[in-house]
Amino acid sequence: RKEVEQDPGPFNVPEGATVAFNCTYSNSASQSFFWYRQDCRKEPKLLMSVYSSGNEDGRFTAQLNRASQYISLLIRDSKLSDSATYLCVVNTISSGSARQLTFGSGTQLTVLP
Amino acid sequence: NAGVTQTPKFRVLKTGQSMTLLCAQDMNHEYMYWYRQDPGMGLRLIHYSVGEGTTAKGEVPDGYNVSRLKKQNFLLGLESAAPSQTSVYFCASKPQGSEKNIQYFGAGTRLSVL
Repeated sequence: RKEVEQDPGPFNVPEGATVAFNCTYSNSASQSFFWYRQDCRKEPKLLMSVYSSGNEDGRFTAQLNRASQYISLLIRDSKLSDSATYLCVVNTISSGSARQLTFGSGTQLTVLP
Repeated sequence: NAGVTQTPKFRVLKTGQSMTLLCAQDMNHEYMYWYRQDPGMGLRLIHYSVGEGTTAKGEVPDGYNVSRLKKQNFLLGLESAAPSQTSVYFCASKPQGSEKNIQYFGAGTRLSVL
């Protein structure tokens, strides 16, 4: 089982739609959670951190359920510029006690005009 | 402010050739990382460094070596390239003590091994 699993996608939605991505993680000791965005042939960039109480940044809402080991990202009023791959990322402590990031394989979103 | 810079951006190798990928960061970050990204696999950690002169193995270290002789540079070496090492390689850095563990990525190096 992968440590971080995401919806396989791809998601093709019309402009203005609301779309939700889900992610589960297997390591219950994970401490920090993030959504990164990766445009085609570009590097990943931090979209937002995910907090236990849930957090919002404009049209983006992230939620975390530690009991279910589940993370979600909701995008409202989607724009053409939201088209990208969204990576679910979890911070874990490795066997060497160094904090590392574990990446999901990503969910591809295409927003259609 | 350049951030994290990777060179080269593209490279084609023949099986058995060697090469070094260079990652340079100008943010005075302590931690540096090398990842590879393959279709359907997400980013996988190859090696990382928690400071100048130190390196450690990640999830997929076989076939790679690294060095961190200077704080700002993290080199990834392929001694004898194999087709299985065809991938996109990303370098990242992070400041020490960042509890949120946010990493900053370079633009990537696309490597093809024929």
